[in-house]
Formats: sequence, C-alpha cells, structure tokens
Amino acid sequence: SQQGEEDPQALSIQEGENATMNCSYKTSINNLQWYRQNSGRGLVHLILIRSNEREKHSGRLRVTLDTSKKSSSLLITASRAADTASYFCATMDTGRRALTFGSGTRLQVQP
Amino acid sequence: DGGITQSPKYLFRKEGQNVTLSCEQNLNHDAMYWYRQDPGQGLRLIYYSQIVNDFQKGDIAEGYSVSREKKESFPLTVTSAQKNPTAFYLCASSMRGRAPFEGPQHFGDGTRLSIL
Repeated sequence: SQQGEEDPQALSIQEGENATMNCSYKTSINNLQWYRQNSGRGLVHLILIRSNEREKHSGRLRVTLDTSKKSSSLLITASRAADTASYFCATMDTGRRALTFGSGTRLQVQP
Repeated sequence: DGGITQSPKYLFRKEGQNVTLSCEQNLNHDAMYWYRQDPGQGLRLIYYSQIVNDFQKGDIAEGYSVSREKKESFPLTVTSAQKNPTAFYLCASSMRGRAPFEGPQHFGDGTRLSIL
C-alpha cells in the first residue's frame, strides 16, 4: 500500500526560488520522514519529524507536520540546480515496523 | 566508509529463472529492508527483517523470498513466480531507535532487473 500522496507530482523552478512540496497520509503515525533520490540512485534521508512535533529545520530545509490534517510539507529555500531530484515522504505508521512511501515529487531547478 | 552495497547494478532474468540480488551492510544495523520501485513511482515494501533469522512479508511479497543468516547480509531472490519482475530494487537498513525502528533508513544504490 502507498499511504503518502505527494503534491505536486512535478515542480519546475528557477535557481534561488523556494520549493514547497506537500504530503498527505491516511493513518496514525509515529513519525514522518523525507528522502531525496537522484536519478538512478538510492534514497538519501533528509529529515525526520516525530508525531508530537510541528516544525523542524535542517539547513535550507523546513518541514511541518499537521497530524490533525494528516499532512506534511517540505520547504527548500534558496534552491540550487543541485537540488534537482525526486523527493519522497515516508511514514512510520503506528503498529507497523517499516516505512510507507509516497509517490514522490520530481523537482527541477533551472540554473 | 560504512554503507550498503548492492550487487549487481544490472541483472537480466530469463523466463523461468530465479535470480538473487545481494545486499550487504557494514553499518552494524539490526533492521534491513527490500523495496521495489517502478518507473515514476514510489517505493513498495517487499520484505523486512528486524533481527537475524527473522523476517516479515511486506506489501508485495508474492514471488519473492529472502534469508537473514547474518546481520550484515539480506539477499533477495526473485523467483519465476514473480511474473512482472522488471523494476529497480532497493535495499535499506536502519538501527533500532527509541521506538521500534523509527530511525532513518540508509539505502544502497539499487539493482535494475530486466527480463530477457
């Protein structure tokens, strides 16, 4: 099953602009994680936010979590061409010992 | 450097053939996972293992088998029963967190399996 649905499916912006990606999920979660995947490569963990947290920062990344709406957003500020990749949210659902991944957002940052 | 190594990078399967994908980690992680990724899609969980000699089915286990005889290794066999095996296969591992396996997962660079 794929719980997370990401929006938009694809996003194209200019270097220096901010990029916002949204993720919705359906069940109760322990935490939500964001990953990045460059074309043809494995995923790289970006940030983890627990169910009792509302916002978290890491460098140019800001993640918010709204458990009442079952949604999360990832903001990348001052984007760079090197940020071009697919971004996935993944939930650690309550009672399940593995992540459930969304379908991803493909981000293209134009130099 | 610690990490996860998947091999081979590319693999071709003939009709009726079983193939085994290798996954080795030197991160001393307890938990290991196998995912399947189809073009333009997210990851779907095939199998996962939390400790040696124990593993659980994920969401799409039919046509696949695994073993976990060593902490470092979690090979995946794609059997002839898997009728549509063409995909990108990703292996991951994680350490035990304060809650069961809540930590981030570390991924290998994948194996691309195709049918001849």
